Amino acid sequence: DQQVKQNSPSLSVQEGRISILNCDYTNSMFDYFLWYKKYPAEGPTFLISISSIKDKNEDGRFTVFLNKSAKHLSLHIVPSQPGDSAVYFCAARNSLRGSTLGRLYFGRGTQLTVWP
Amino acid sequence: DAGITQSPRHKVTETGTPVTLRCHQTENHRYMYWYRQDPGHGLRLIHYSYGVKDTDKGEVSDGYSVSRSKTEDFLLTLESATSSQTSVYFCAISESLTGKNYGYTFGSGTRLTVV
Repeated sequence: DQQVKQNSPSLSVQEGRISILNCDYTNSMFDYFLWYKKYPAEGPTFLISISSIKDKNEDGRFTVFLNKSAKHLSLHIVPSQPGDSAVYFCAARNSLRGSTLGRLYFGRGTQLTVWP
Repeated sequence: DAGITQSPRHKVTETGTPVTLRCHQTENHRYMYWYRQDPGHGLRLIHYSYGVKDTDKGEVSDGYSVSRSKTEDFLLTLESATSSQTSVYFCAISESLTGKNYGYTFGSGTRLTVV
């Protein structure tokens, strides 16, 4: 049962435009959300995160928005660059005490392609 | 660049043979994880460790075992490799479960092919 869902397997955007990657979650015990970026033949690398007590976090060209009532978050990349082409994973941390405390749950990823 | 290395980077093995993948960290992080990545499935947790000799199962643990005899090493063993275990395996480390230092750092992965 997928607790973190990325319903778009792929997204194609022209260079300079905005890329919006979406993520939905089902577990209300998630308290921290992260985006990871993955290039081919490399491990995922941390991109940006947001706590559940906030609704927006910005870092340069990357902004993450969180809508807790809708259990939805999105990653905005503005402007998009060809070097942003990668797989993006949404992840959520479980805050429920017990054996799963602190565990990250990942979505299936979205392949972003930025074309010139 | 976090000190986490996976070995081997690539391996081809035959069905039915045992295989061990190694994750080595120099960060002295307490928490270590093994994931597999497959098309259409994203990253799925196989096993994790909360300390030396403290391990537990993740979502897709069948056919896998782990050991952690030292803080820096987390071994993943496929007892008898099957073609369904062809995948890319990632190790991850974390300093804490909560707090401002929270976050996973991933290794570069091991591509395993079972023929």
